[in-house]
Amino acid sequence: QLQLQESGPGLVKPSETLSLTCTVSGDSISSSSYSWGWIRQPPGKGLEWIGSFYYSGNTYYIPSLKSRVTMSVDTSKNQFSLKLSSVTAADTAVYYCARHPPGSGRTFFDYWGQGTLVIVSS
Amino acid sequence: QSVLTQPPSVSGAPGQRVTISCTGSSSNIGARYDVHWYQHLPGTAPKLLIYGNNNRPSGVPDRFSGSKSGTSASLAITGLQAEDEADYYCQSYDSSLSGFVVFGGGTKLTVL
Repeated sequence: QLQLQESGPGLVKPSETLSLTCTVSGDSISSSSYSWGWIRQPPGKGLEWIGSFYYSGNTYYIPSLKSRVTMSVDTSKNQFSLKLSSVTAADTAVYYCARHPPGSGRTFFDYWGQGTLVIVSS
Repeated sequence: QSVLTQPPSVSGAPGQRVTISCTGSSSNIGARYDVHWYQHLPGTAPKLLIYGNNNRPSGVPDRFSGSKSGTSASLAITGLQAEDEADYYCQSYDSSLSGFVVFGGGTKLTVL
């Protein structure tokens, strides 16, 4: 059974960089055809896609965050990561990592992590 | 403001049928991109409920069904149960500058 677990600091100061890691268990992150993404949910609001990287090597980010987001993969640790720079209070949210199922054009997510709350505050 | 529009809330009594709408535009649902639905209980991982407009992943009861027409999609839940009380989100692909993956604003389902 595939499992995803987010980890990282729960409190980040304004203007600093938010760094989160998603650890995948139950399968290899480098398995062909799998793609991975990050989604967040600000308090009291809905889900917002942040970005995804596809097995093809392409990475896509939501335009509003593109200048501040970096996603990377560490296959040796079976992890992938999210960095969001210059954070403000508006970046306070529960952050989820998730998997796109195999197959081209698969934009939905079939497995999600439990989510981790990140608060931006001094 | 979400790219896909959902009603903030819907409600129904146990055993009843409810539907949740998801309205998009010509750059997402209207462009024939698939619609997917998730069930989300606060504090838990969102659960894929419907993918590809009307397909249920293994383990999802057939009380849940999806449909799509034009620039809108709907999630129907029949035989409403107390455990169905949750937030529901639609999701699609968007070809404009809104982003690769777009979600609806979410609908809170209350079982009366």
